[in-house]
Amino acid sequence: DIVMTQSPDSLAVSLGERATINCKSSQSVLYSSNNKNYLAWYQQKPGQPPHLLISWASTRESGVPDRFSGSESGTDFTLTISGLQAEDVAVYYCHQYFTTPQTFGQGTKVEIK
Amino acid sequence: QVQLVQSGAEVKKPGASVKVSCKASGYTITTYAMQWVRQAPGQGLEWMGWISAGDVNTRYSQKFQGRVTITRDTSASTAYMELSSLTSEDTAVYYCARAPGGWSSLDYWGQGTLVTVSS
Repeated sequence: DIVMTQSPDSLAVSLGERATINCKSSQSVLYSSNNKNYLAWYQQKPGQPPHLLISWASTRESGVPDRFSGSESGTDFTLTISGLQAEDVAVYYCHQYFTTPQTFGQGTKVEIK
Repeated sequence: QVQLVQSGAEVKKPGASVKVSCKASGYTITTYAMQWVRQAPGQGLEWMGWISAGDVNTRYSQKFQGRVTITRDTSASTAYMELSSLTSEDTAVYYCARAPGGWSSLDYWGQGTLVTVSS
């Protein structure tokens, strides 16, 4: 199974500051035929299902604020929230859909400092 | 608009089975794959399996192989996930989620169904 390891487990950021969440996959999730990384990011607020933010490592979903961005470098992936807002308090998960079983990171809890 | 509406909470005894439904609206269920993910209390997300769009193919996590069955009723626009031989470790919120590209990220999620396994 591909293991997705997120860091940190939690972080506290001041309003308006940048939050950076890392996700490392134990093996490549890059499909060579289309040169796409099969990696997504979700936001989950208490009592709600996850909400898709980013697909293909860096493609922001329609309606997602542009303060959310994704990037990749090999098997290292990053979700950046540029200018944290109060409504961004949540747990964030990375997800590889490259192979079965699909796997998720353990989650990163983002709070306001 | 796309909606996935799941069946209500269940309480089951150890050894029993549970069948959770997921009714899709706003799109044709046969044109998108559906996946099932669960979340134990206070824990992260765990992928269980997948049913394809079009031709009905399924894939399951090895962890649940033999215990989980994912099906679809096209006429009812509803997908189902049945889990058997329940133990207390199966206590979790179970989600259905749509996969727009078949093997892709999950763009719409059901509200979740809490399954509690307790004697």
